Amino acid sequence: GNSVTQMEGPVTLSEEAFLTINCTYTATGYPSLFWYVQYPGEGLQLLLKATKADDKGSNKGFEATYRKETTSFHLEKGSVQVSDSAVYFCAHLQRGATNKLIFGTGTLLAVQP
Amino acid sequence: SQTIHQWPATLVQPVGSPLSLECTVEGTSNPNLYWYRQAAGRGLQLLFYSVGIGQISSEVPQNLSASRPQDRQFILSSKKLLLSDSGFYLCAWRGQGVSYEQYFGPGTRLTVT
Repeated sequence: GNSVTQMEGPVTLSEEAFLTINCTYTATGYPSLFWYVQYPGEGLQLLLKATKADDKGSNKGFEATYRKETTSFHLEKGSVQVSDSAVYFCAHLQRGATNKLIFGTGTLLAVQP
Repeated sequence: SQTIHQWPATLVQPVGSPLSLECTVEGTSNPNLYWYRQAAGRGLQLLFYSVGIGQISSEVPQNLSASRPQDRQFILSSKKLLLSDSGFYLCAWRGQGVSYEQYFGPGTRLTVT
């Protein structure tokens, strides 16, 4: 069935380090892909998206490229800040009656000054 | 612009008591609406979705129910709470366009004691 697999956390980095959070998905066809971010005690915010193969989504210095060959959508940022500390969720759209999102389990990122 | 509200923000309820969580959306009409639950350390689980007034679909058998009495109002209820109902409840809406991304509310933290 449809699923999303994210790397286990927590990921702990120093400020200005390079970030990669891996995400792979299993789905029928080529679904839209999303990264959401959840700051402590808050709801989820859409961070970026890609709707077709080879698209690159970007926002706030974060990037992710839709790779259909590897069914992946890895999140990257060149230089993280303390304020990036949050839980990051990868998701894909499951088309159908619900058009629901299939989420990964989330990856906690902790950035230390 | 569209906004989504949830209340209450936090709730502590004894086992066996009733529950009512409310979600409202502003700035859009006829949205698809969703209820998710996020258990501690876990990803998001879709509970209910609605494509219109009075139209509710359940994704997972639960001790919970949902209703949509108005176009932009979505209510999550229970007659008798269980300990396992504790978690972070998130409401989301999706517009009618082709992007299919969902936008989340701030969430309600429910603790059943």
